[in-house]
Amino acid sequence: DSGVTQTPKHLITATGQRVTLRCSPRSGDLSVYWYQQSLDQGLQFLIHYYNGEERAKGNILERFSAQQFPDLHSELNLSSLELGDSALYFCASSGLYGYTFGSGTRLTVV
Amino acid sequence: QKEVEQDPGPLSVPEGAIVSLNCTYSNSAFQYFMWYRQYSRKGPELLMYTYSSGNKEDGRFTAQVDKSSKYISLFIRDSQPSDSATYLCAMSENAGNNRKLIWGLGTSLAVNP
Repeated sequence: DSGVTQTPKHLITATGQRVTLRCSPRSGDLSVYWYQQSLDQGLQFLIHYYNGEERAKGNILERFSAQQFPDLHSELNLSSLELGDSALYFCASSGLYGYTFGSGTRLTVV
Repeated sequence: QKEVEQDPGPLSVPEGAIVSLNCTYSNSAFQYFMWYRQYSRKGPELLMYTYSSGNKEDGRFTAQVDKSSKYISLFIRDSQPSDSATYLCAMSENAGNNRKLIWGLGTSLAVNP
């Protein structure tokens, strides 16, 4: 157990729908990073929150949004889902030595 | 040109071989260098962490950083089938819990029994 918790582990939904992915960082870590990893693709940085504030945006679509709450957990909202959004979504928190990743949410859009 | 370049492989070696994985980068401000291992459908896990130039050894793994050449390496000695995974390099300019990591695409390694 890395200490970074992601739920749900698996999600299957239809095109056009909206889903919410949840992440709790390790105790004491203030940052949450969201990444998308499609089949055979590298990690694509989506967005970074630090202590409730958005710090950086990567290749995040306008249909996607995120927030970090006062208890530091974060949610990634994906709307108007398309088949191409099927991927693994990871969150990570940053401590003294690099990032610690959660086990990911596997999203399948059918 | 990407900030971090990593050959995606795949790399296939026999059990017991020495494996060399490499990344090159263009940003001379990078000071912190990491190697992550990712098993299929799992989150990446930190394998090695180094600061600035030099070598670091941990069991069968050795990380090397050559800042003058902007080149980092990960060596795996006596490779095992359990080492079969994707290895990603990552680097950053700063440390702490607000750092921004820049990633290589990962190299897929298969160690055959």
